[in-house]
Amino acid sequence: DAKTTQPPSMDCAEGRAANLPCNHSTISGNEYVYWYRQIHSQGPQYIIHGLKNNETNEMASLIITEDRKSSTLILPHATLRDTAVYYCIVRVARIQGAQKLVFGQGTRLTINP
Amino acid sequence: DAGITQSPRHKVTETGTPVTLRCHQTENHRYMYWYRQDPGHGLRLIHYSYGVKDTDKGEVSDGYSVSRSKTEDFLLTLESATSSQTSVYFCAISELDRAGSYNEQFFGPGTRLTVL
Repeated sequence: DAKTTQPPSMDCAEGRAANLPCNHSTISGNEYVYWYRQIHSQGPQYIIHGLKNNETNEMASLIITEDRKSSTLILPHATLRDTAVYYCIVRVARIQGAQKLVFGQGTRLTINP
Repeated sequence: DAGITQSPRHKVTETGTPVTLRCHQTENHRYMYWYRQDPGHGLRLIHYSYGVKDTDKGEVSDGYSVSRSKTEDFLLTLESATSSQTSVYFCAISELDRAGSYNEQFFGPGTRLTVL
């Protein structure tokens, strides 16, 4: 039970903003929202995470709704190299400081030229 | 890129043989993880470690054991490989920041294991 719902696939034109939604209606008050992506058969790559405020880094922006039941990952100017499977993760158990991430099926994002 | 290597990168073995996969890091991170990835299941946590000689089970630990005798190495052993353990195995590392919060997990390149 990954506790998240993501569309299985999305398309976006190169140069446009890619907006990837994630529903996490049962999120607990102390659970962070994490986003990772996996390009082809490589290991997953961390993108961003947040608790309740919107976050931005050099890769993306994360918008979390006020009730924290959903979030959107925004890639502001998508390139072909952003084609990947994107995972939204909220179930993170903390055991002795270790993170137990639970991955769902993710969204397969295809950037089209 | 975080300094994480996995060996071997590819392995074909037969049912019933023991197999050991190695994860090596140069980042001195405290926490290390083993995941497997299968079609239709995404990544699932097998075992993790929160320090030298400190390990615990993840969600799919049956048939696997781990050892961590030094900070930089985390070994995953399949005592008697089965065809259901054919998968891609990823190692990951993480460390807490100074505030004691989470930092991201960095993943290795993966090991593709085929059990015939």
